Amino acid sequence: NAGVTQTPKFRVLKTGQSMTLLCAQDMNHEYMYWYRQDPGMGLRLIHYSVGEGTTAKGEVPDGYNVSRLKKQNFLLGLESAAPSQTSVYFCASSRESSGGNTGELFFGEGSRLTVL
Amino acid sequence: GQQVMQIPQYQHVQEGEDFTTYCNSSTTLSNIQWYKQRPGGHPVFLIQLVKSGEVKKQKRLTFQFGEAKKNSSLHITATQTTDVGTYFCARNTGGFKTIFGAGTRLFVKA
Repeated sequence: NAGVTQTPKFRVLKTGQSMTLLCAQDMNHEYMYWYRQDPGMGLRLIHYSVGEGTTAKGEVPDGYNVSRLKKQNFLLGLESAAPSQTSVYFCASSRESSGGNTGELFFGEGSRLTVL
Repeated sequence: GQQVMQIPQYQHVQEGEDFTTYCNSSTTLSNIQWYKQRPGGHPVFLIQLVKSGEVKKQKRLTFQFGEAKKNSSLHITATQTTDVGTYFCARNTGGFKTIFGAGTRLFVKA
């Protein structure tokens, strides 16, 4: 099992360019998430999905779009990249919850994005 | 609102010393999760606490959930160099979101 796989692992963009980060999980998880990690700020939730065809906003959704066309894939798009979006991006997935708790998150290895 | 506050932000210890990080919320938590992230790595789940006053142990790590379910702690006994990294607490919120604290970065000097 590969678990959660993110591509690409590294990318450098110029301001205004667009790109898509791909997240794939092979654990048949219902829930998927995109986080960004910046020094001293922990992990901040960008968008998440509770099932195929559904998405919802997290803590810092502005400047990003997502799609979950297939259960195993969760795509994060930047339509017009800005230097403030320079960060490490982590995708995660988890099982369907019971009792209101989501259960453990399984993370990908991260994608380091630099916007010049 | 939904934030969880972690203290300290970082801590330096000598190998063999103990270490504790604290996670606090202004609202009652349905659960608390703890993760460890090694330098250059990704977060890895350690444990989940659900019950008021719950205490769980994993070898040298002890996790506690407060009686009021508004705070939690992670205590490491006799730290080792393999314990270095950042420790995060996280909470589930309504709508299946998991929100993370800012983390405590642990440095261990051999």
